[in-house]
Amino acid sequence: GQQLNQSPQSMFIQEGEDVSMNCTSSSIFNTWLWYKQDPGEGPVLLIALYKAGELTSNGRLTAQFGITRKDSFLNISASIPSDVGIYFCAGNRDDKIIFGKGTRLHILP
Amino acid sequence: DAGVIQSPRHEVTEMGQEVTLRCKPISGHDYLFWYRQTMMRGLELLIYFNNNVPIDDSGMPEDRFSAKMPNASFSTLKIQPSEPRDSAVYFCASRLGGKQYFGPGTRLTVT
Repeated sequence: GQQLNQSPQSMFIQEGEDVSMNCTSSSIFNTWLWYKQDPGEGPVLLIALYKAGELTSNGRLTAQFGITRKDSFLNISASIPSDVGIYFCAGNRDDKIIFGKGTRLHILP
Repeated sequence: DAGVIQSPRHEVTEMGQEVTLRCKPISGHDYLFWYRQTMMRGLELLIYFNNNVPIDDSGMPEDRFSAKMPNASFSTLKIQPSEPRDSAVYFCASRLGGKQYFGPGTRLTVT
């Protein structure tokens, strides 16, 4: 079946550092989505990407839809404590959205 | 908009009991999804509906699980009988176009 490989699985960074995480797939997707999940809450949509090559920002977050349509990355600039959480990538093809297993972000004081 | 609404937020029940989880999607959204999240398996798609019609239930683990969507504003996920391995967080999500939004989830504990 379709698989999304999300990396890294977890990250430990210092407050103020930039963060980069990515997703790759063997399948082409029409849309890439990035979510963040806080403890005890549902995933919240951060950014949606619709076209190959598209680069979209949402505050300190920037995400890009890969040219091949098989990958996407998410960057967070100047991390702050509230960025802690699990970040999921998701690819949309046909009706279904396939989720990666998440990147757990830890921020060290 | 209130977003996707789920109830209850927490459910603790004994093995063998029937459990019903409820979801109200965002008004106007034409897709509704039920997911289960555990540490071991991550986020698993159980079933989804398009315009109230079940499209794919291949993710439903067993016949003990069933889902209905009687109208555009309400869906249920039922587990009967429940088992301890059903303990997880169950999310409902709705979608219009390319954007999918999740509810806050129901944390189910089966003892």
